[in-house]
Amino acid sequence: EDQVTQSPEALRLQEGESSSLNCSYTVSGLRGLFWYRQDPGKGPEFLFTLYSAGEEKEKERLKATLTKKESFLHITAPKPEDSATYLCAVQANDYKLSFGAGTTVTVRA
Amino acid sequence: DTGVSQDPRHKITKRGQNVTFRCDPISEHNRLYWYRQTLGQGPEFLTYFQNEAQLEKSRLLSDRFSAERPKGSFSTLEIQRTEQGDSAMYLCASSSVPRNTIYFGEGSWLTVV
Repeated sequence: EDQVTQSPEALRLQEGESSSLNCSYTVSGLRGLFWYRQDPGKGPEFLFTLYSAGEEKEKERLKATLTKKESFLHITAPKPEDSATYLCAVQANDYKLSFGAGTTVTVRA
Repeated sequence: DTGVSQDPRHKITKRGQNVTFRCDPISEHNRLYWYRQTLGQGPEFLTYFQNEAQLEKSRLLSDRFSAERPKGSFSTLEIQRTEQGDSAMYLCASSSVPRNTIYFGEGSWLTVV
């Protein structure tokens, strides 16, 4: 069974203090690794899909990287508006997503 | 894209009643997913359609849950004889081949009292 573990569960940052979130996974046949941002009471908002080890993608202050066993989401010089829960999910050959429990990031001004 | 649309956004129902949620996917997306999310957890897979065919259903899903996608367009998720444990946010998502980017709607909150 596909498994996704995210760490830490919660992260409190000062504005401008860069950090990284970890997503460790086991999956039989990775089709893609997805990162989403979720604000309280809302649906997940798509950020990135990574398809193969070594791939990197960037969007504003966020950068996602992928290895054969884990993915990292780097937040560079975060702002308070980056406060959210970040979800990682793996997609296997059956096309469904298996999610981790998420990392809740709080950025203080 | 107009986004994935879900209705209603909030539903409060009494235990034992039936509820139905509707999802309108992004136009021309042929894959449609239903997920359930409780507080502090990531979304949990419920079921998945490609066009009108239901390809997979979670083995953890009770027989009280049923989903349809007539004509491969919108989808409905019905929960019969609701229980308090059904209280959660029900998320719909859609994607297309071959782009495979999976977009979620804003969710439908269910509270069973």
